[in-house]
Amino acid sequence: DSGVTQTPKHLITATGQRVTLRCSPRSGDLSVYWYQQSLDQGLQFLIQYYNGEERAKGNILERFSAQQFPDLHSELNLSSLELGDSALYFCASSVEGGQPTDTQYFGPGTRLTVL
Amino acid sequence: AQSVTQLGSHVSVSEGALVLLRCNYSSSVPPYLFWYVQYPNQGLQLLLKYTTGATLVKGINGFEAEFKKSETSFHLTKPSAHMSDAAEYFCAVRSQTGANNLFFGTGTRLTVIP
Repeated sequence: DSGVTQTPKHLITATGQRVTLRCSPRSGDLSVYWYQQSLDQGLQFLIQYYNGEERAKGNILERFSAQQFPDLHSELNLSSLELGDSALYFCASSVEGGQPTDTQYFGPGTRLTVL
Repeated sequence: AQSVTQLGSHVSVSEGALVLLRCNYSSSVPPYLFWYVQYPNQGLQLLLKYTTGATLVKGINGFEAEFKKSETSFHLTKPSAHMSDAAEYFCAVRSQTGANNLFFGTGTRLTVIP
């Protein structure tokens, strides 16, 4: 158990819908990362938040957005869902996110299925 | 830009045999390299990491990896495979352009044959 929690574990929805994925980082971790794992694109970085502020963006679609709240939990919002958005979405957290020795601890993931 | 290439999407070994999973990196600056393992229906667990210092890095569950700058490699090894090692293994390199996010390889699925 990494200490990172993600809810829900599974999510099934229809095209065009909007969903919210939630992540609670390890106690004391300030940085949250979101990754997408799909069969065709592998594991890709989406976005990073540090202490409530967006720090970096990766291959995140405009239909996707995220935020980190004062209690440091984060939510990833996916809208206008398409079949190709079906994937495993991971959240990872780290103490700071700015140190080379910083380790990212991954949650168990949310499996999104878009029908 | 940083990237990693994992050679072999599937590797099969007999129980008790040597495990060798290959990873080559591309980086214009000294890289920070990681190996993660993903068991079925689970998240990623850090096996080991190389940042600076000793080039032979020991990790959990008997795994180790050696950073070889001349070969731009960071191969993962374990002397004797156990059935419990069956999983998917990902090599990753950390971005050094500010985000510190990880760039992952495509993964290698390890099968251990009894």
